[in-house]
Amino acid sequence: NAGVMQNPRHLVRRRGQEARLRCSPMKGHSHVYWYRQLPEEGLKFMVYLQKENIIDESGMPKERFSAEFPKEGPSILRIQQVVRGDSAAYFCASSQTGWHGITEAFFGQGTRLTVV
Amino acid sequence: EDQVTQSPEALRLQEGESSSLNCSYTVSGLRGLFWYRQDPGKGPEFLFTLYSAGEEKEKERLKATLTKKESFLHITAPKPEDSATYLCAVPSGNTPLVFGKGTRLSVIA
Repeated sequence: NAGVMQNPRHLVRRRGQEARLRCSPMKGHSHVYWYRQLPEEGLKFMVYLQKENIIDESGMPKERFSAEFPKEGPSILRIQQVVRGDSAAYFCASSQTGWHGITEAFFGQGTRLTVV
Repeated sequence: EDQVTQSPEALRLQEGESSSLNCSYTVSGLRGLFWYRQDPGKGPEFLFTLYSAGEEKEKERLKATLTKKESFLHITAPKPEDSATYLCAVPSGNTPLVFGKGTRLSVIA
């Protein structure tokens, strides 16, 4: 049973380009969470999705960021018109149960985005 | 407002020197307290979930305990391979997991 798969592991984008980060949850998991980690800072919640639905996006910046989790395929975190401040490690986690009864959440290895 | 506070920020131990890491939380209606280990350049690795005061869980040299206001991660006779950042997290409101900033543990041979 493969774990949470994220790709790419490393992504370099020039300012103004778009970044697309992909996350395939563990088999049997339908709840996906995205987090951002800046150097020397903790993990910050961005968005929580269930298949085809955004459950909570309170941690997502209002502009340039969007996320989806389609019926088929991985969850996508999209960052449009990237700026240097978007450089960070982005982690995806998945769980079998939702936030109201979460028991375990497993993380992927992350995508390290560098904006040059 | 910090809901999860971890201490110390960094801890340096000699191999075999047991110690404890602290995680205090202020959320009401605890729906679980989660411990993770994170190695540099890697994603957090799930260790334990604790649900009620008095609960304890063990894994190799690690034992996690929970009270009404805090959790401790006890490390018994640590080895260099236990060096990592240890994170704790709690669900809060609609946020699945709110993380503390972690404790960076270094175990020196």
